[in-house]
Amino acid sequence: AQSVTQLDSQVPVFEEAPVELRCNYSSSVSVYLFWYVQYPNQGLQLLLKYLSGSTLVKGINGFEAEFNKSQTSFHLRKPSVHISDTAEYFCAVTVTDKLIFGTGTRLQVFP
Amino acid sequence: GAVVSQHPSRVICKSGTSVKIECRSLDFQATTMFWYRQFPKQSLMLMATSNEGSKATYEQGVEKDKFLINHASLTLSTLTVTSAHPEDSSFYICSASSWQGASDEQFFGPGTRLTVL
Repeated sequence: AQSVTQLDSQVPVFEEAPVELRCNYSSSVSVYLFWYVQYPNQGLQLLLKYLSGSTLVKGINGFEAEFNKSQTSFHLRKPSVHISDTAEYFCAVTVTDKLIFGTGTRLQVFP
Repeated sequence: GAVVSQHPSRVICKSGTSVKIECRSLDFQATTMFWYRQFPKQSLMLMATSNEGSKATYEQGVEKDKFLINHASLTLSTLTVTSAHPEDSSFYICSASSWQGASDEQFFGPGTRLTVL
C-alpha cells in the first residue's frame, strides 16, 4: 500500500526567505506525485505534479519540487516566499485512481 | 484549470436531519467524482468514488447508507448525509476528473462546512 509522510506539521518562515516542505512516500510500484495548496476554508489547488521525465518539476506561484526515487522523496521548495504563501500544503501520491494525502504542512510566513 | 463548484458552502442543521451537498463541474464533463472528508487540522480522507451512471464505491469504514452519493450526470454529483449527528460535522470536499488514468488531475471544489447541532 502507498503512504505519504510529511514530517513537518508547521513551518514558520520570514518573508523573502527560502523554504522547503518535506514529503516522503512509500510504494512498491511507480507512483505519480502531487503537491496541493489549501487556503483557509477553501478546496485544494494543484501546485505541481510529477508523472515522468525530468525530476525537477516547476509549478505555479514560483514553487518547484524534485523527485528523488532513491530517497523516495518529493520535497517542495520556493526560493523566496511571500505573505500570501501562508497556507496548508499537502503532498499526495496516486497509483490507481485514488489520491493518498499526507497530513499536511502549515506554512506560516511572517513579515 | 477546470472549475468545480460546491453548494452550499456552509450549512448548519439539527441532529437527525438530512443534508444534501452538490458538486458540479462547470466547464468539463466529469466521468469520475470523488468525495473527501477533512477534520480540523487533518488531511483529506477519501470517502467514496463515483462514476457517472453507476453506484459509488465506498472506502472501508464509510457507511454507504449514511452517506448517499448520486452521480446522475457528467456535471453533477450529490452527497446526502442522512440522519446527521454532531460527529458528522466536518469539511466535505469533492473533486472531479475526466478520468483517463491515474495521472489525471482531480479538480477540487471549495468545500462545504457542515455543522450538526
